[in-house]
Amino acid sequence: NAGVTQTPKFQVLKTGQSMTLQCAQDMNHNSMYWYRQDPGMGLRLIYYSASEGTTDKGEVPNGYNVSRLNKREFSLRLESAAPSQTSVYFCASSDRVGANVLTFGAGSRLTVL
Amino acid sequence: AQTVTQSQPEMSVQEAETVTLSCTYDTSESDYYLFWYKQPPSRQMILVIRQEAYKQQNATENRFSVNFQKAAKSFSLKISDSQLGDAAMYFCAYRSYNTDKLIFGTGTRLQVFP
Repeated sequence: NAGVTQTPKFQVLKTGQSMTLQCAQDMNHNSMYWYRQDPGMGLRLIYYSASEGTTDKGEVPNGYNVSRLNKREFSLRLESAAPSQTSVYFCASSDRVGANVLTFGAGSRLTVL
Repeated sequence: AQTVTQSQPEMSVQEAETVTLSCTYDTSESDYYLFWYKQPPSRQMILVIRQEAYKQQNATENRFSVNFQKAAKSFSLKISDSQLGDAAMYFCAYRSYNTDKLIFGTGTRLQVFP
């Protein structure tokens, strides 16, 4: 009953540090996504992966890299964190069937000082 | 590019009353999906209801229903018999028929008063 699991849930970084947010889903979904949520701006798509081995940019990809390691896992990397990347990050997955309903992880709160 | 607009940053409703949250969108496409997601304080995103654009009938899920006006590009959410547990951020979202990407509005924070 895990669904989408994100780690870590909280992280504090200093400007210039790097880190990777991990995401795994156990629903055999093809598509996976990374969103960021900022106050007053809703959720904005950073990157998504329609299938294993493919990734595409979303609305706000600058400063991020992603890896679709296998069907289950989709990681988001910040190579040199900036204060503007302080946000709540959500991973999601979907099976691309019909309405393609997304299942979300619990979110990861990242603070860059 | 498609956009989703939620013009009400905050709304409030009395318990047991009815409230309607507004959403408009801009698209040149004829086939698409629309969604309402709920985000309670736990931060978890939960699907409330979805609507296929080709369906004229408005979707309903228990106390939640939508008013889908395709020509006006409007997709409002009505919550009947509001409960304290309905207090949350509500996001309207759009997906093109031919892509995987979901585009969200900026959200409406709903407060429910006893």
